[in-house]
Amino acid sequence: AQSVTQLDSQVPVFEEAPVELRCNYSSSVSVYLFWYVQYPNQGLQLLLKYLSGSTLVKGINGFEAEFNKSQTSFHLRKPSVHISDTAEYFCAVTRSNDYKLSFGAGTTVTVRA
Amino acid sequence: SQTIHQWPATLVQPVGSPLSLECTVEGTSNPNLYWYRQAAGRGLQLLFYSVGIGQISSEVPQNLSASRPQDRQFILSSKKLLLSDSGFYLCAWRPGQGRGSYEQYFGPGTRLTVT
Repeated sequence: AQSVTQLDSQVPVFEEAPVELRCNYSSSVSVYLFWYVQYPNQGLQLLLKYLSGSTLVKGINGFEAEFNKSQTSFHLRKPSVHISDTAEYFCAVTRSNDYKLSFGAGTTVTVRA
Repeated sequence: SQTIHQWPATLVQPVGSPLSLECTVEGTSNPNLYWYRQAAGRGLQLLFYSVGIGQISSEVPQNLSASRPQDRQFILSSKKLLLSDSGFYLCAWRPGQGRGSYEQYFGPGTRLTVT
């Protein structure tokens, strides 16, 4: 079974500064990777996904992530954050023929003016 | 396009009372369906998933149950709520197996407070 580790539980950042959220996974087979965002009292929204192909994946709201197979990582980045990016972010992994997603514990991003 | 609905949005129930949360998906057929719970300050816990009508897999033994009476309807129930059942309940769907899509799409959630 695969597992996901989000290395930072909380990330404070100033507005217009860059942010990186770290995600590492463990799996013995090929995986598919996702980042979700959750705003307060809302469901999760898919930011981006990696299934195959280019290791640099672009998503919504200016976010991008890079898949690194040798380091089993899928870090999320944004070059310039806004106050509205304050939310919780979840990394998730699955594999072919698996019905379930394995989620990390989440990273809370707080953007300050 | 597909949409997912959950109701109610919020619920306050006394300990020992029954529970019924409903989730429906529109715009797709034969989806995989999921129930998750987020307790305060904690991550996502998968409770149940279903790959077809009447097919329920339980991930965590507890006093909750799930049913799928129709293709696009998923219900979470309890006969007697506990304080520890408080949390934010999320329903999610995914296209059925073999359709080349692995991400899940989440509903707006139900905030349950057991008093």
